[in-house]
Amino acid sequence: KAGVTQTPRYLIKTRGQQVTLSCSPISGHRSVSWYQQTPGQGLQFLFEYFSETQRNKGNFPGRFSGRQFSNSRSEMNVSTLELGDSALYLCASSLQQLADNEQFFGPGTRLTVL
Amino acid sequence: AQSVAQPEDQVNVAEGNPLTVKCTYSVSGNPYLFWYVQYPNRGLQFLLKYITGDNLVKGSYGFEAEFNKSQTSFHLKKPSALVSDSALYFCAVRDTGYSTLTFGKGTMLLVSP
Repeated sequence: KAGVTQTPRYLIKTRGQQVTLSCSPISGHRSVSWYQQTPGQGLQFLFEYFSETQRNKGNFPGRFSGRQFSNSRSEMNVSTLELGDSALYLCASSLQQLADNEQFFGPGTRLTVL
Repeated sequence: AQSVAQPEDQVNVAEGNPLTVKCTYSVSGNPYLFWYVQYPNRGLQFLLKYITGDNLVKGSYGFEAEFNKSQTSFHLKKPSALVSDSALYFCAVRDTGYSTLTFGKGTMLLVSP
C-alpha cells in the first residue's frame, strides 16, 4: 500500500504571498490531519478533516485554512505568509477520526518564507 | 488542558546499552499516550500506544514503554540500543474529553558505535 504523499516537498516563498500544500492519504483512510513542525515549538496541531468536514482545529490564525475532497485528499492553504510560517508541514492520515488511532505521516513539505 | 513534557532535548547512549527517553504528562481525565519516531527527512512513524490495560506496552523495533499513573510518566525504553535507533522521538497525549493529540517537543536520541 502506498504511504502518505505530500507535494511539493520543498517551497520557497516571500512574505505576503500565499501557498497551497497538498496531501494524499493512504488509500481507505478518511481522516487527514495537518501539523506544523518547528525547532522551537515542536509539533503543533493545525486541523483535522474527516469526510470532507473540519472536525478539529488548533490554535492558529485564520490565515491557515484547509479542505478535504471526496477522495480524502486534502489541501492546506496559508495566506499572507509571514517569516514565522517557515516550517515543516506534516500531513497524517488515519482510518477513522483522530482519537486513539495510529496516524501515518507523510514526509512533509518544507516551507521557507523569505 | 492536556500537556506533555520531554525533559531532555538529547539523550546519548552507547550501542548495546539500554536506553530511556523520558516523557511526563498532565491530564485531568485518563490519558491516552503515544510514542512516535522521526528519522532525518522523514515523517513521523508510530512506535506504540497506551490506551488501557497492561502498564507495559511493547511496540515496534524492540521498543517498550511503561505507563506510571502515580508519576504521570510514560518513558520509552529499549534493552539494547542500536546505532540505527538514532532519531528524534516524540511523546504525545490525549486526555479524555479531547479529540486531538498534544505532542512533546521531541528528544534527539544519539547512539554511538
